[in-house]
Amino acid sequence: GNSVTQMEGPVTLSEEAFLTINCTYTATGYPSLFWYVQYPGEGLQLLLKATKADDKGSNKGFEATYRKETTSFHLEKGSVQVSDSAVYFCALSVTGAGSYQLTFGKGTKLSVIP
Amino acid sequence: KAGVTQTPRYLIKTRGQQVTLSCSPISGHRSVSWYQQTPGQGLQFLFEYFSETQRNKGNFPGRFSGRQFSNSRSEMNVSTLELGDSALYLCASMAERGSPLHFGNGTRLTVT
Repeated sequence: GNSVTQMEGPVTLSEEAFLTINCTYTATGYPSLFWYVQYPGEGLQLLLKATKADDKGSNKGFEATYRKETTSFHLEKGSVQVSDSAVYFCALSVTGAGSYQLTFGKGTKLSVIP
Repeated sequence: KAGVTQTPRYLIKTRGQQVTLSCSPISGHRSVSWYQQTPGQGLQFLFEYFSETQRNKGNFPGRFSGRQFSNSRSEMNVSTLELGDSALYLCASMAERGSPLHFGNGTRLTVT
């Protein structure tokens, strides 16, 4: 089956620090990969995505590269801000002939302190 | 364009009761999915509807059901509520297969 493993949190960083959140996956078929972010009291927002090997998704200073050889999609940001404090979810989808669903990791809570 | 709207935002129910949650997708989106989010299990797929047909169902008991109307609005129903059904229920809509899922802010269900 499909599964996503991401580093357990919580992660606490000082403002302007470098962020890495590790994510690895197993999938039957060729998945698309996503990072979603959830702010307190809200639903999930798509942060970035990549649909094929070596693609790099990027948004708001965050980046992740689809690494097929290591089945990974690690999230990075060079300089975090207090406003980046949220829970980050790595996810995959394998679109078959039928429906479409996301398989999520457990989430990593990031707290950025001034 | 309005986002995905879920109502109500909060619900408190008693064990054994049933509950209905509502979701209005983004205009033009025909696919609606439901996910359950709990601290222990994380985010788990419940089901997906497209053009009033259930296309897929996750690994949940038959007490969890849903439907989609001709205007793409969707409802999910949970019967005979258990304490373990306490969760944030998220609805998401999608324009077409493979395009990003857009999530609502969820309905927080508490079963006492």
